Amino acid sequence: EPEVTQTPSHQVTQMGQEVILRCVPISNHLYFYWYRQILGQKVEFLVSFYNNEISEKSEIFDDQFSVERPDGSNFTLKIRSTKLEDSAMYFCASSPSFGLAGGNEQFFGPGTRLTVL
Amino acid sequence: DAKTTQPPSMDCAEGRAANLPCNHSTISGNEYVYWYRQIHSQGPQYIIHGLKNNETNEMASLIITEDRKSSTLILPHATLRDTAVYYCIVRVAGDKIIFGKGTRLHILP
Repeated sequence: EPEVTQTPSHQVTQMGQEVILRCVPISNHLYFYWYRQILGQKVEFLVSFYNNEISEKSEIFDDQFSVERPDGSNFTLKIRSTKLEDSAMYFCASSPSFGLAGGNEQFFGPGTRLTVL
Repeated sequence: DAKTTQPPSMDCAEGRAANLPCNHSTISGNEYVYWYRQIHSQGPQYIIHGLKNNETNEMASLIITEDRKSSTLILPHATLRDTAVYYCIVRVAGDKIIFGKGTRLHILP
């Protein structure tokens, strides 16, 4: 069964450093998302991406964050200058095009644990 | 904010049916009811969704009341691997997911 994959599984970085989190969505999906979950807290939406542009972003997704689909398979989240409070699990998700009877379930990857020291 | 209300935790004996309730009294006509679960330290996993009619798949059944103000997720024969946080989410198809706190389901051996 196709699945979303994410690398690395765990990333440790120093405060102020740039990190890039990588995701390979399910191959025929067209909608891509990033979410994060700070330890012990709710899963929070960061950004959605469709047709090579951001379709929606949350207040968390400030100028320090960017997303890119550099080729036909990868979807990346970049944090330019990490802060301690960026420590969290970051989940990528993808969904197929919707229409017909709606649906549009999102399929999540296993996550990248980011630790900022 | 999440548009749903769920009990914070529930217990269920292994092999029995787990019935997880959800209230969504302000649901709009074009909003679907989705259920996801999150097993410890893993990504959320899609379970099932519905609009008006009851739905069943290989994982679970979803019962939606006629007025659509509440629903129940049924895991017919719970196993220890079903221990997870279960999220009931109301959303328009294609919209972002807003997760609440969910119900922490403990399956007891």
